[in-house]
Order: sequence, then structure tokens, then C-alpha cells
Amino acid sequence: AQKITQTQPGMFVQEKEAVTLDCTYDTSDPSYGLFWYKQPSSGEMIFLIYQGSYDQQNATEGRYSLNFQKARKSANLVISASQLGDSAMYFCAMREGWAAGNKLTFGGGTRVLVKP
Amino acid sequence: DAGVIQSPRHEVTEMGQEVTLRCKPISGHDYLFWYRQTMMRGLELLIYFNNNVPIDDSGMPEDRFSAKMPNASFSTLKIQPSEPRDSAVYFCASSFSRSRYEQFFGPGTRLTVL
Repeated sequence: AQKITQTQPGMFVQEKEAVTLDCTYDTSDPSYGLFWYKQPSSGEMIFLIYQGSYDQQNATEGRYSLNFQKARKSANLVISASQLGDSAMYFCAMREGWAAGNKLTFGGGTRVLVKP
Repeated sequence: DAGVIQSPRHEVTEMGQEVTLRCKPISGHDYLFWYRQTMMRGLELLIYFNNNVPIDDSGMPEDRFSAKMPNASFSTLKIQPSEPRDSAVYFCASSFSRSRYEQFFGPGTRLTVL
């Protein structure tokens, strides 16, 4: 079974609008972390935001917020006020367990194209 | 501060040749990860180290692949002999056990095996 599922292979969004990228996960470990990374066309992987399984509040980092619904096992990324530079691949990832060294399992990614 | 450094950025080689990819993690980080990214398989973890010791190499595809970390500031991923199906982007990432747990990725090495 897939541990991280991103059901949207690609999507368009109008500049200045908000966009939600879906991510569902599967784990039986009560302690886990969820991450979102951005990969622009240049290829580097850029860390965006982190949510711990015991965090009471949804994580936010500037224009990025994570809509964490634990019971539904979803961790959707919301990008507000989209900019042309937001065009990229976005990956959701999970770490099971608390140690920083635990490996990340990545979803298949969602390609976002921001239209002017 | 310098991020994760990888070299070379691009490598083109012929089937059967040995390929060595290099990584310098962020200073002070105690975990180092090697990933491979392909269109077909996405991002896969190959191996990771903690304090220079390999912890999990279950993602290494076969014996042709080997990785070492002789000290805290250097790691190599070697493929010998290389095959066309090894063509991919190889990322190195590092993290610090006392941080927020995120992994910081290097720019990647794009490997093409002809």
C-alpha cells in the first residue's frame, strides 16, 4: 500500500489565487512527521513546511499552510496568493518515528503551473 | 552558511564505467541520505548514515551500488559497473537530530549512462 498519496498529478492556478494540494498518508505509528517540498524546474528540493503528528495547530510558513486533518490522515498544502514563481513540482513526504534520521517516504508529486 | 554540496552536477558516462558521486553535508549535521529520482519510480531513498555509520541500505538496488562515509564531512556513492537504467538524478541530503527534522537537499547530480 502507498504510504503517501498525492492524487493530483498536475493543476493550473491563476496568479494571486490560492491553491490546495492534496496529500493523504498511511501509518500505524502514532508519532510521525509530515513535510512538503518544492522542486522547481531547476531541480533542487526546497523544504517548505513541517507538521508533527502531535502538533495541536496547523503549521504555517509565510504563504504556505498545512491543513492537517489527523482523523482523515490528510495533510494538504495550501499556497495563498499564488505567484508565477510557485510553478513547480510539490512533494509530500512522511517520516515515521521521531528521530531526525528516520527516512522520508515521498509521494508522487503534484505539478503546479501558475498562469498570469 | 553553505548548503549540501554535491559533485559533479552532471555526469555522462558509458555503460560499464565506474561512477563516483560525492557529497558534503551541512556542517554539524549528523544524518546523511542518498536518494535517486526517476520519472518512473519517483524519489527513492537508497541509503542513510548516522554519525558516519550506515543505518539502512535496503534501498540500494543491487551490489553494483555502494556508499561510504569516511568522515562527517564527506560521502560517496559509487556505481560499478554502470548501466543505462542507472540514469537518474541522485540527491544527497543531510539533517540534524536536534532540529525540526527536515532534511536539506543538495542540488543533485544528473547521471546519464549511455
